[in-house]
Amino acid sequence: EAQVTQNPRYLITVTGKKLTVTCSQNMNHEYMSWYRQDPGLGLRQIYYSMNVEVTDKGDVPEGYKVSRKEKRNFPLILESPSPNQTSLYFCASSLSVVGNEQFFGPGTRLTVL
Amino acid sequence: GQQVMQIPQYQHVQEGEDFTTYCNSSTTLSNIQWYKQRPGGHPVFLIQLVKSGEVKKQKRLTFQFGEAKKNSSLHITATQTTDVGTYFCADRNYNQGGKLIFGQGTELSVKP
Repeated sequence: EAQVTQNPRYLITVTGKKLTVTCSQNMNHEYMSWYRQDPGLGLRQIYYSMNVEVTDKGDVPEGYKVSRKEKRNFPLILESPSPNQTSLYFCASSLSVVGNEQFFGPGTRLTVL
Repeated sequence: GQQVMQIPQYQHVQEGEDFTTYCNSSTTLSNIQWYKQRPGGHPVFLIQLVKSGEVKKQKRLTFQFGEAKKNSSLHITATQTTDVGTYFCADRNYNQGGKLIFGQGTELSVKP
């Protein structure tokens, strides 16, 4: 089944404790992206990647890192999480950067205490 | 930076009534995509509009792209309880690496 998977689905952590949220897609998509969703703000892009070893900042990249060592995986790293990073995070992928629908993962609900 | 404004934020309707959400931008939109997110779920792609003045239909859903490519709308005829969720428009901005710039979404509730 074609899908985007994320892990973990839920995470409660404390300020400053490094964490990684994994994202994987099995559709051979070139384009992958991370979004955070907050009430009243919709979805905002954190980072995106147009292909392996190519990543770039979105609208809200502060406090986050990403890597794209392989086509299928696009982990999101929070080196020192803070409470303002409490949010619902979605990974998404699309065939390419040009005009294709994005397929979203199931989401990761992160709480930073 | 570019902003995509979406109204209304909430809409409560009786089952069978129509529903419309509007998406506006001060700058020209590249491609408008519409997504639906069910409560507790993730956004799911509905459709993409590319051409000025384009109109597309999916059963009871009608999507329009403005002539000036600065606005778009989604209209649902005769809502059903299965239409419940949040509807987002998003501009796929090729000048910014193809990222999706989302509107704030319209949350639709349908009373049976």
